[in-house]
Amino acid sequence: AQTVTQSQPEMSVQEAETVTLSCTYDTSESDYYLFWYKQPPSRQMILVIRQEAYKQQNATENRFSVNFQKAAKSFSLKISDSQLGDAAMYFCAFSGAGSYQLTFGKGTKLSVIP
Amino acid sequence: NAGVTQTPKFRVLKTGQSMTLLCAQDMNHEYMYWYRQDPGMGLRLIHYSVGEGTTAKGEVPDGYNVSRLKKQNFLLGLESAAPSQTSVYFCASSYEPGLAGGPGGTDTQYFGPGTRLTVL
Repeated sequence: AQTVTQSQPEMSVQEAETVTLSCTYDTSESDYYLFWYKQPPSRQMILVIRQEAYKQQNATENRFSVNFQKAAKSFSLKISDSQLGDAAMYFCAFSGAGSYQLTFGKGTKLSVIP
Repeated sequence: NAGVTQTPKFRVLKTGQSMTLLCAQDMNHEYMYWYRQDPGMGLRLIHYSVGEGTTAKGEVPDGYNVSRLKKQNFLLGLESAAPSQTSVYFCASSYEPGLAGGPGGTDTQYFGPGTRLTVL
């Protein structure tokens, strides 16, 4: 069974600064997908970024980028130029290729300080 | 597109009462899912469906039933609610994971806004 670990229950960042959220996972599969979801106070789960394990290039989406280290089973999220609207819970999630099963970490609560 | 919608947004039940949560999606997704989210935990899969007329158990299925009579709808039922079922419930949908030749990102699940359920 896969496990996803987010070791930082809470983090804070100054507005306009950069912050990195950590995620590690454990799997015996070689082909899989990794995701970061954002959950603001509205509760809506919003996809932030997606990484395919067979791609060596790290995914980027505007101010969001990942550092994917397959051998280390690490998948961190970097948020650049942090904005007040980035304040939310962030969940790391894993899905085996072709699998319905999406396994979530327990989340990291990010606060943005004006 | 409305995406994934859930009805109702909030509900309070007494122990032993029954209710049904409705999930609807307009993205023509084949797969649909029900999750629950409890404080300090990530989402856990309750049941899922791989297509119209099919359902299967996830990680925490006890106390829940589901039905997928139409492709666009996925219903979650609680026959006899218990305080342990107090939670936030999320519905999600996706294309068939790993679908060869399908749209990029078929493994991505899209979530509804959630239903906060309190059982007294």
